[in-house]
Amino acid sequence: NAGVTQTPKFQVLKTGQSMTLQCAQDMNHNSMYWYRQDPGMGLRLIYYSASEGTTDKGEVPNGYNVSRLNKREFSLRLESAAPSQTSVYFCASHQKGNQPQHFGDGTRLSIL
Amino acid sequence: AQTVTQSQPEMSVQEAETVTLSCTYDTSESDYYLFWYKQPPSRQMILVIRQEAYKQQNATENRFSVNFQKAAKSFSLKISDSQLGDAAMYFCAYRTLASRLTFGEGTQLTVNP
Repeated sequence: NAGVTQTPKFQVLKTGQSMTLQCAQDMNHNSMYWYRQDPGMGLRLIYYSASEGTTDKGEVPNGYNVSRLNKREFSLRLESAAPSQTSVYFCASHQKGNQPQHFGDGTRLSIL
Repeated sequence: AQTVTQSQPEMSVQEAETVTLSCTYDTSESDYYLFWYKQPPSRQMILVIRQEAYKQQNATENRFSVNFQKAAKSFSLKISDSQLGDAAMYFCAYRTLASRLTFGEGTQLTVNP
């Protein structure tokens, strides 16, 4: 009963390096999301995908790109990492309106 | 744009007592959904309880219940018989059918033995 799986769980990067965070869900959900959570704050939406083949910007998209590879997988890419992108990243999926989002366990990303 | 406000950055409660966490939201919609999520130190996001705006009855889940006041746009969470395992960050969240989930900034709950 995996739910939403994120890899890796931890990563340290140097400024300017690139990285892709992976997310997969096995619940056949249509919608998938990427959030970031900075210390002492709530979750802010980076990008989302309402359905396979579509992606849209959220609240804080700058510096990121996403790919909805198929219905199961939604990846987040940092092309040139910056210290301001140090955060915990959460992937989530969701089936329809009144159902809650299911979250992965998060990826702790530090950029030096 | 919808906003969710949690006015209590930190709260504390004695074990076995009751605590209420506040949440207000701003919306012009009539049909929407509200959620409380718990985030323990492990950082997992765990759904605590949810409420559909069209339902007048307040949701309950064991020791957790909500006081949903639609006219006042208020959605507070009551935790009864608090346990040490309830210590966590609690997030209120709002969504309509067409919109994405919007989170409040969270309330850090400490449970004192």
